[in-house]
Amino acid sequence: GAGVSQSPSNKVTEKGKDVELRCDPISGHTALYWYRQSLGQGLEFLIYFQGNSAPDKSGLPSDRFSAERTGGSVSTLTIQRTQQEDSAVYLCASSGPAGELFFGEGSRLTVL
Amino acid sequence: ELKVEQNPLFLSMQEGKNYTIYCNYSTTSDRLYWYRQDPGKSLESLFVLLSNGAVKQEGRLMASLDTKARLSTLHITAAVHDLSATYFCAVDYLTDKLIFGTGTRLQVFP
Repeated sequence: GAGVSQSPSNKVTEKGKDVELRCDPISGHTALYWYRQSLGQGLEFLIYFQGNSAPDKSGLPSDRFSAERTGGSVSTLTIQRTQQEDSAVYLCASSGPAGELFFGEGSRLTVL
Repeated sequence: ELKVEQNPLFLSMQEGKNYTIYCNYSTTSDRLYWYRQDPGKSLESLFVLLSNGAVKQEGRLMASLDTKARLSTLHITAAVHDLSATYFCAVDYLTDKLIFGTGTRLQVFP
């Protein structure tokens, strides 16, 4: 597609449930990132995929968070046993040759 | 670990005035990016600065990079209301991982 596509755009879930967030990067971009943005805050790095290399998971806040990228394209961020503090906008981005990130519209997660 | 700090965090300025937003970072990096975020929206790329001394301009915004001082500036000339948004700088850290600054929320009033 023309841009980074994320789904769902909004997700409301109950505490303790698992959620999956999907990201479809720009075609041909080898790098894919997940960031988290809490209300009125900056961007918190979560995880980074580059080609076939092992992902950089150093930003994942707990073992309830995981992500995978299948076939070097689509990525899924999974949050298990969601907590209220997980409520945030989850942003996905892919990068072009200059390293410039192109962001999706985000998935807004609300944990009740 | 890389830290990226912006100041001010909040800027309220009158239309027509000039101002500069500063972005300091703690470790060596040769690449710096500026992004704009409108309320409820995602981030839009403004500038990519790839070398020491790089200067880029687009309309009323001009960005520069001093890698020796570990400093980038985003200068606003003759501000207009449409520039109201949150501006983030981001620095490349250890092969393409971008670390973002805290953001500067800019509000331009008549």
